[in-house]
Amino acid sequence: GAVVSQHPSWVICKSGTSVKIECRSLDFQATTMFWYRQFPKQSLMLMATSNEGSKATYEQGVEKDKFLINHASLTLSTLTVTSAHPEDSSFYICSARATLLGQPQHFGDGTRLSIL
Amino acid sequence: GNSVTQMEGPVTLSEEAFLTINCTYTATGYPSLFWYVQYPGEGLQLLLKATKADDKGSNKGFEATYRKETTSFHLEKGSVQVSDSAVYFCALTSSENSWGKLQFGAGTQVVVTP
Repeated sequence: GAVVSQHPSWVICKSGTSVKIECRSLDFQATTMFWYRQFPKQSLMLMATSNEGSKATYEQGVEKDKFLINHASLTLSTLTVTSAHPEDSSFYICSARATLLGQPQHFGDGTRLSIL
Repeated sequence: GNSVTQMEGPVTLSEEAFLTINCTYTATGYPSLFWYVQYPGEGLQLLLKATKADDKGSNKGFEATYRKETTSFHLEKGSVQVSDSAVYFCALTSSENSWGKLQFGAGTQVVVTP
């Protein structure tokens, strides 16, 4: 089946550091990728929709300058958490969807980000 | 707007018991419906899907039927195993959200005991 690879799976860093998370679709081309944030025991919160070759569309309340998204190719999107602070600690999950309408999203295994 | 409502968890079952997780939705038009499963510390895996009314999605012993008349997509499994312990999310996508964004339910934690 479709595979989405997310890297790193776990990162711990100091406050003020910028952290980059990669999301790759391994066996299909993903015109659209999505970035989610998940708090413990809660559902996924969509942060932004990333379309290849264009600017990401952010959900209301998500800081664009804080969470930089780049979708430079049909198989790679990156999320950079800039100047991370402890309140940015969370589980971040990406997903990718193939071009055909109605195709399901396939999810990466998530990145656990801990800011000290 | 679209919305998905799932039964609250946790649902605790003994091994080999019958599992039902209720899911109802509100959407315009004809949404596609999905069940995703999340194991501890992992991302989501697609469990099954249905794209039109009366479709039945099935996978790994799980089934769900797209019921337009009751706007429901309940997940069932006849005999659960300990390995089925996870959080299950019902979700939909539709033309209203450009067939891209998923609208998730709150998730239902299932705990299966030996």
